[in-house]
Amino acid sequence: DTEVTQTPKHLVMGMTNKKSLKCEQHMGHRAMYWYKQKAKKPPELMFVYSYEKLSINESVPSRFSPECPNSSLLNLHLHALQPEDSALYLCASSRQRSRAETQYFGPGTRLLVL
Amino acid sequence: GDSVTQMEGPVTLSEEAFLTINCTYTATGYPSLFWYVQYPGEGLQLLLKATKADDKGSNKGFEATYRKETTSFHLEKGSVQVSDSAVYFCAPVFPLEDYKLSFGAGTTVTVRA
Repeated sequence: DTEVTQTPKHLVMGMTNKKSLKCEQHMGHRAMYWYKQKAKKPPELMFVYSYEKLSINESVPSRFSPECPNSSLLNLHLHALQPEDSALYLCASSRQRSRAETQYFGPGTRLLVL
Repeated sequence: GDSVTQMEGPVTLSEEAFLTINCTYTATGYPSLFWYVQYPGEGLQLLLKATKADDKGSNKGFEATYRKETTSFHLEKGSVQVSDSAVYFCAPVFPLEDYKLSFGAGTTVTVRA
């Protein structure tokens, strides 16, 4: 099983709302990732967790707050977003962070900020 | 610095045509090389990968060979189907880039019946 699940599939929020995106994997992977993908563009890395610790933050604005409560779950908390934050948010996982490991992606959450 | 250059589309083909998407890289050291595919409205799926020179990755009729001499990892399929319509991303992992996937620009492929 190489499945990464993400909820919700779609999310519409106002600029003053607080919401969370969830990601889950049961493959025993110890690295998890958040990406942002705008239309017709490649994914952009946002955050990387390795063994439940934040390893990489790609200078993402503080209105995005990641959380890794355990080795299977990854959340992305959203607060005071801007319309330009509307995008597809993808979660991925890999066995560990290394040169040859495959990242497995979830189906994404399509976010619209009004 | 390390970088990837991917042939940009869009590419439109008829069924049973031959598909090739070029991908070249510039790197210090030897990256691992991945091709991912994104079908409409979905996330990314690994299509194939190669981790060392002369390795050939293959899956679903697609192939790509890690060519160290030409620093390339071109994707090919001999006979495409309508179901191959998707966006294809070349994505090296450069040794000095902290094990991040470095995505190419993506190539949109449309196959007509």
